[in-house]
Amino acid sequence: QSALTQAASVSGSPGQSVTISCTGTSSDVGAYNYVSWYQQHPGKAPKLMIYEVSNRPSGVPDRFSGSKSGNTASLTISGLQAEDEANYYCSSYTSSSTRVFGGGTKLTVL
Amino acid sequence: EVQLVESGGGLVQPGGSLRLSCAASGFTFSSYDMHWVRQPTGKGLEWVSAIGITADTYYSGSVKGRFTISRENGKNSLYLQMNSLTAGDTAVYYCAKGWFGETFDSWGQGTLVTVSS
Repeated sequence: QSALTQAASVSGSPGQSVTISCTGTSSDVGAYNYVSWYQQHPGKAPKLMIYEVSNRPSGVPDRFSGSKSGNTASLTISGLQAEDEANYYCSSYTSSSTRVFGGGTKLTVL
Repeated sequence: EVQLVESGGGLVQPGGSLRLSCAASGFTFSSYDMHWVRQPTGKGLEWVSAIGITADTYYSGSVKGRFTISRENGKNSLYLQMNSLTAGDTAVYYCAKGWFGETFDSWGQGTLVTVSS
């Protein structure tokens, strides 16, 4: 199972919006609405931000939103804040009943 | 409050074995799938293994046949037996709780496994 494809880095200024993409295949992202997104600050454990493509767990700001089209899922962060600077990972369930992560995207808030 | 505390990491020689443990609290452990996810230093997350509530098990291709996941519901504990370790297994290993939509909603702080001679 190959890792999902994410851009290595993305950046934006405070208040702006950024979108992070996650591309898989018809055996994972394209096959199920089981895509989730995780935020990880350096030295910390990952934190769930989005589940089932577009749902936010309690406590996650509505500035974070998710979507999916075909084999590509996206995480959009609007109204960027300094504390959003982190690494972001997507994850998907697969047709083999395993899970797969993306390679991660480093978000820099300029 | 959900708490997951990993232990058992350390330095091991190539070809050696190690058993990781994860102590869970704050939720009904027996009712949730559990996972191991690892992260080499400075690199991305890699899903390793999962165990369902009926003890069905799943593994990534990179560890299948070498690692064994298990759970002991009476002790609220998750385990990962790792055999035939190689340098490529060097990573922080996280225990994660499964949730709706095949998601990991809670994570431990991780335990570092270093495979080196």
